[in-house]
Amino acid sequence: DAKTTQPPSMDCAEGRAANLPCNHSTISGNEYVYWYRQIHSQGPQYIIHGLKNNETNEMASLIITEDRKSSTLILPHATLRDTAVYYCIVRVASGANNLFFGTGTRLTVIP
Amino acid sequence: DAMVIQNPRYQVTQFGKPVTLSCSQTLNHNVMYWYQQKSSQAPKLLFHYYDKDFNNEADTPDNFQSRRPNTSFCFLDIRSPGLGDAAMYLCATSRDPTATDTQYFGPGTRLTVL
Repeated sequence: DAKTTQPPSMDCAEGRAANLPCNHSTISGNEYVYWYRQIHSQGPQYIIHGLKNNETNEMASLIITEDRKSSTLILPHATLRDTAVYYCIVRVASGANNLFFGTGTRLTVIP
Repeated sequence: DAMVIQNPRYQVTQFGKPVTLSCSQTLNHNVMYWYQQKSSQAPKLLFHYYDKDFNNEADTPDNFQSRRPNTSFCFLDIRSPGLGDAAMYLCATSRDPTATDTQYFGPGTRLTVL
């Protein structure tokens, strides 16, 4: 699986959009971009995933650049409950379902 | 609500004393995973069961074993815990073992080794 690079920490004001970047410059054509988050003292939670096209669900939007070398997770209206570590994971569609977590970004939503 | 349950949430054991952590799920998923998460680190996969088939990660120490007596339950056994095994242990499930399937995590069991 390709390696990902994320900033170690970010702050966001409550009610504003949180934009979390992820670099995956070595991503290959059959690798998906996944996002999970982990709120303090809880298990990780799936957020969203995509291959080429931008994706949106009830939690977030995922914007993947045309060359697929980077992506951005967008939380449109951050709340205090969105404070968590956000993990960007790149993995192939085939093969074992093993999640290899990187270091993630610690997002702090500020009142 | 369908969910992944881990008991206990906090476990204290003594150095070298065997300990078992448990995980149950009401999702009826085929795959169950165990992850280890040490302080300030990302979760790391130890092993998983696909139905009754056990799949060990190459770098998982022999000290860690697992049992899955039925679809709903999976256990993590640490035969002789060392101080370095103190961590959060996370159980997860997925419907199938393909890489695109979402994993659902339990709240974790925090293990302390004295």
